[in-house]
Amino acid sequence: GQQLNQSPQSMFIQEGEDVSMNCTSSSIFNTWLWYKQDPGEGPVLLIALYKAGELTSNGRLTAQFGITRKDSFLNISASIPSDVGIYFCAGQLRAGGTSYGKLTFGQGTILTVHP
Amino acid sequence: EAGVAQSPRYKIIEKRQSVAFWCNPISGHATLYWYQQILGQGPKLLIQFQNNGVVDDSQLPKDRFSAERLKGVDSTLKIQPAKLEDSAVYLCASSSGSTKETQYFGPGTRLLVL
Repeated sequence: GQQLNQSPQSMFIQEGEDVSMNCTSSSIFNTWLWYKQDPGEGPVLLIALYKAGELTSNGRLTAQFGITRKDSFLNISASIPSDVGIYFCAGQLRAGGTSYGKLTFGQGTILTVHP
Repeated sequence: EAGVAQSPRYKIIEKRQSVAFWCNPISGHATLYWYQQILGQGPKLLIQFQNNGVVDDSQLPKDRFSAERLKGVDSTLKIQPAKLEDSAVYLCASSSGSTKETQYFGPGTRLLVL
């Protein structure tokens, strides 16, 4: 089946630093999504990317959909303590058939921000 | 707007016992998903419903897992009998079915099988 490789697995940074994480796939997706999961909660959508090459920002977050459709990255600028959590990438196929809407998740990046 | 509701939030059972989880999606959302999230991993889709019909259950271990969404609203996921490796968080998500649909996740049910 499809697999997403997300890196790094964990990051320990100082408040104010920038963060970068990425996700690669063995197969093509036509939508890339980035989620954040806080302890005891479900994932919350941060950014959605729908076109190859698309670069999208949401506040201090910036994400890009790779041209090959097999990768994506997420940057967080000027990190703050509330950025702590687990960040997941997810690929989605928006086409007919049983894969429609199905999300394939990466393993997650655990982010720790020291004040 | 109320979010996706799940219950119970926590469940501890012994292996070979049965357990059921309940999900109430966001009002009006036609599509409902059940995911299994094992510690240290991302969520994995178990089953997807469109209204009360199953769209994708290819990764559902059908010998022990079952799910239903009889009236196209609430859904239940059942495990019978449970195994140790079923210990995980079970997440329910729903989406509206529009072109750029966003899946909204509930808080999950944390299952521990002893």
